[in-house]
Amino acid sequence: KQEVTQIPAALSVPEGENLVLNCSFTDSAIYNLQWFRQDPGKGLTSLLLIQSSQREQTSGRLNASLDKSSGRSTLYIAASQPGDSATYLCAVISDMRFGAGTRLTVKP
Amino acid sequence: GAGVSQTPSNKVTEKGKYVELRCDPISGHTALYWYRQSLGQGPEFLIYFQGTGAADDSGLPNDRFFAVRPEGSVSTLKIQRTERGDSAVYLCASSLDPGGGYTFGSGTRLTVV
Repeated sequence: KQEVTQIPAALSVPEGENLVLNCSFTDSAIYNLQWFRQDPGKGLTSLLLIQSSQREQTSGRLNASLDKSSGRSTLYIAASQPGDSATYLCAVISDMRFGAGTRLTVKP
Repeated sequence: GAGVSQTPSNKVTEKGKYVELRCDPISGHTALYWYRQSLGQGPEFLIYFQGTGAADDSGLPNDRFFAVRPEGSVSTLKIQRTERGDSAVYLCASSLDPGGGYTFGSGTRLTVV
């Protein structure tokens, strides 16, 4: 059974800092992986989808990478802003499994 | 529709009652997923539909939970004899095809009192 882990559970950084969120999975035979953002009391908003044939995807200040052989994905956020404060979740879509998320706080 | 719609947005029910939660996916999306999310946790998989059939219902916690998608579009999650432990946010997602990226609805917050 696929297990998805996100470390750290919470992260607090000053505004402007570049940061990396980590997602690891136990079964490397995945088809694709998706990163989401969730604001308190809200649903999940898709950020990036990485297909198994891809190694990374970029959208604005966000870059997600995928290394299937090591069972890892990272979400890189450049020049963080207070508006980036939210919980970030990764999901191995092909196994329908989510991590518990990393709660990010960006301080002004 | 333009997005995934879930109704109601909030539901308060008494222990032992029956509830139905509705999900209206994006038009043309063949795959539909139900998840449950408790506070501070990631979404927990419940059931996946491909078209009208439940392709994977391994996440349903027990036989009080049931879901249907009779015409391959709208889906209803049904919970019988609700318990306080069923309180959570129930999320629905759809994708164009299996393995495609998810689009989530805003969820239904279920509170069993």
